[in-house]
Amino acid sequence: DARVTQTPRHKVTEMGQEVTMRCQPILGHNTVFWYRQTMMQGLELLAYFRNRAPLDDSGMPKDRFSAEMPDATLATLKIQPSEPRDSAVYFCASGLGTSGRVNEQFFGPGTRLTVL
Amino acid sequence: KQEVTQIPAALSVPEGENLVLNCSFTDSAIYNLQWFRQDPGKGLTSLLLIQSSQREQTSGRLNASLDKSSGRSTLYIAASQPGDSATYLCAVRQEDSSYKLIFGSGTRLLVRP
Repeated sequence: DARVTQTPRHKVTEMGQEVTMRCQPILGHNTVFWYRQTMMQGLELLAYFRNRAPLDDSGMPKDRFSAEMPDATLATLKIQPSEPRDSAVYFCASGLGTSGRVNEQFFGPGTRLTVL
Repeated sequence: KQEVTQIPAALSVPEGENLVLNCSFTDSAIYNLQWFRQDPGKGLTSLLLIQSSQREQTSGRLNASLDKSSGRSTLYIAASQPGDSATYLCAVRQEDSSYKLIFGSGTRLLVRP
């Protein structure tokens, strides 16, 4: 059963603390995306990786957010220091890119982050 | 700049009704359009993907159409069931982008037993 998995599913933390969210893409997928969903902004793309290399992270606040892919089975999104405005649901998605295109994106269940 | 709009924002129908969800986009230069379903507290489930060269796609009771020139897509749900209750999102990818999806704000559907 091929699915994108994310941990933790829920995270409550205090302002200023470091938060790390993890994602395991579908085996064989070579592209990974991080999205953030809020009531006000809807779904926004934060970062995009192809073959573990970051290709676009223009949607991320660079001073506090960082995204990495230590290996093909793990993607991480880190916030340091966290702020209340970071409270949102963070989704990871993966896909298979061929000829420079990614067709369908498959989403994980998300990490619901609350920063107090 | 591409903008995706979904109307209505919320819809409540009795079980068994056929219904149509609408999605419009301002820039017709899209590569494909994808319809997703999101259940409360859950991630997004891909329902249908329509390439820009296609007019429609069908999966079970779902049928999605695409009119690229007019910037519109519809998701038709036949014989709705309470289990169809969810938020439905459409997203487009531009021709000049290999990956970036631009999402609408969604239609929240409630199918009443």
